[in-house]
Amino acid sequence: GAGVSQSPRYKVAKRGQDVALRCDPISGHVSLFWYQQALGQGPEFLTYFQNEAQLDKSGLPSDRFFAERPEGSVSTLKIQRTQQEDSAVYLCASSARGDRNTGELFFGEGSRLTVL
Amino acid sequence: DQQVKQNSPSLSVQEGRISILNCDYTNSMFDYFLWYKKYPAEGPTFLISISSIKDKNEDGRFTVFLNKSAKHLSLHIVPSQPGDSAVYFCAAKGAYNYGQNFVFGPGTRLSVLP
Repeated sequence: GAGVSQSPRYKVAKRGQDVALRCDPISGHVSLFWYQQALGQGPEFLTYFQNEAQLDKSGLPSDRFFAERPEGSVSTLKIQRTQQEDSAVYLCASSARGDRNTGELFFGEGSRLTVL
Repeated sequence: DQQVKQNSPSLSVQEGRISILNCDYTNSMFDYFLWYKKYPAEGPTFLISISSIKDKNEDGRFTVFLNKSAKHLSLHIVPSQPGDSAVYFCAAKGAYNYGQNFVFGPGTRLSVLP
């Protein structure tokens, strides 16, 4: 597709459920980022992939959060045993360059997760 | 501790006037800065960038100014249009070996009044 695609757009989960959020980056983009955006806040970095390699996962808030990009294209962010504080918009972004990446990030529309 | 700050949560400007959005950062390792614009229910979209070797970058109605010594940058929109009403995020990135992560500020909501 032309842009970054995320699914589902909206997800309501009961506390304790596992959720999986999918990101389809722009074709050929080397870099992929996941961000978490709480209401009224800016995006907060979660993790970064260069192709299939997860080079930085320092932003993942707990071991309940797990991300993968096994073939270097589509990525999945999984949250196990969801908690209310996980409620946020999860943004995926991709970028063309994998070296010293000063390029812009192309964001998807986000997946809004609400944990009841 | 927020490394990128946007101290004005909101700003209202009359159509045709200048909008000035400010951003301050604390980390001296940041050397590349971007502004993103976000409409409701959409992802942020890139607006303009500046690297630390410059102090100004212009693109149409949008100009970004960087003051490295003050660790401050600003986005000027001239003239402002109602379609510019959105949330604007400042983002910063460090030097090569500092990681690929972009750090975002909390955003400023701009309202351009007709």
